Amino acid sequence: AQTVTQSQPEMSVQEAETVTLSCTYDTSESDYYLFWYKQPPSRQMILVIRQEAYKQQNATENRFSVNFQKAAKSFSLKISDSQLGDAAMYFCAYAPQRPTSGSRLTFGEGTQLTVNP
Amino acid sequence: DVKVTQSSRYLVKRTGEKVFLECVQDMDHENMFWYRQDPGLGLRLIYFSYDVKMKEKGDIPEGYSVSREKKERFSLILESASTNQTSMYLCASSPLGGGNQPQHFGDGTRLSIL
Repeated sequence: AQTVTQSQPEMSVQEAETVTLSCTYDTSESDYYLFWYKQPPSRQMILVIRQEAYKQQNATENRFSVNFQKAAKSFSLKISDSQLGDAAMYFCAYAPQRPTSGSRLTFGEGTQLTVNP
Repeated sequence: DVKVTQSSRYLVKRTGEKVFLECVQDMDHENMFWYRQDPGLGLRLIYFSYDVKMKEKGDIPEGYSVSREKKERFSLILESASTNQTSMYLCASSPLGGGNQPQHFGDGTRLSIL
């Protein structure tokens, strides 16, 4: 069974600074997808970024980028130029490639990010 | 934009009651999911469905059942609610395909069982 671990329950960052959230996972699959979701106080889960395991290039979305280390099974999220609106719970998630799985996600425990003005 | 609507934002029920949580999506997605969110545990999959009248158990199905009579609607049922089912419940949907299809979530239902 796949597992996803986020070892940082809480993180804080000063506005305009950079912060990195950690995530490790365990799987025996070779093809899979990794995601970071954001859940602000409004509770709406929002997809931040997605990484395909067969791609060596790290995904980026504006101020958000990942450091994907397949051999180490590590998938960290870097937020540059942090903004007050980035304050949220961040979840790392794994999905296998196999379509018969119904694209089910396995989530980590979450990291609560606080952005200080 | 995909819209996933959960019928209640907050719900308070009593122990032993039969509880229905409703979820509707408007994008003709084949896959629908019910998760439970608890502090320190993240989101855990209760049940999912990849087609009408089809369902698959997730990681924590005990005490729950589901119903999918129409493609757009996926209901979670607590047959006899217990206090340990007090939690946040999130519904999600995604189109047919492999793991690259991101899930779209509703706003969640915070359920309290007294």
